[in-house]
Amino acid sequence: QKEVEQDPGPLSVPEGAIVSLNCTYSNSAFQYFMWYRQYSRKGPELLMYTYSSGNKEDGRFTAQVDKSSKYISLFIRDSQPSDSATYLCAMSHASYIPTFGRGTSLIVHP
Amino acid sequence: DAEITQSPRHKITETGRQVTLACHQTWNHNNMFWYRQDLGHGLRLIHYSYGVQDTNKGEVSDGYSVSRSNTEDLPLTLESAASSQTSVYFCASSALAGGIGTGELFFGEGSRLTVL
Repeated sequence: QKEVEQDPGPLSVPEGAIVSLNCTYSNSAFQYFMWYRQYSRKGPELLMYTYSSGNKEDGRFTAQVDKSSKYISLFIRDSQPSDSATYLCAMSHASYIPTFGRGTSLIVHP
Repeated sequence: DAEITQSPRHKITETGRQVTLACHQTWNHNNMFWYRQDLGHGLRLIHYSYGVQDTNKGEVSDGYSVSRSNTEDLPLTLESAASSQTSVYFCASSALAGGIGTGELFFGEGSRLTVL
């Protein structure tokens, strides 16, 4: 079992939909949780990060962490075609080297 | 603006040849990382460095080596390229170990390597 599991998709939604992207993990020592966005043929860019449990909101994006269930989510409200990308979750603990999920490919069609 | 650049962006080579992928960052970050990205596997850590003269093996280091002679550069060398090393390679840097919070990982645009 990989430390971080993420469904690769693709996930196809219509413009304006609410998108839910998820990751599960097995290492209870993870304390830092991140979401990176990667456009086609580009490098990943940090979208959001959260320390420990709870929610964090930034515009149309909300990150949630449930450490008791070892489950993290990224919600995108009012999705736009420009949100079409691969979303990678990443997590780390005291060693600080992040472990990445496989990434979920999101397609938002007009 | 500070940036991280990789070269070459695309390379085709033959099995058994030595290949070096360059990574240069102008962020003045201490920490640098090399990842490979493959379908079905996501990003996997090859090597990383916390500073000059420091190098460490990652999850998939066999067949790869790095050296860190200055802050700006971390070249990745494939000693004898194999078809299994066909992949997209990403270099990244961060100010803090692991890239947490303000020490996020900054990635290059990637180097696409094909080994025939």
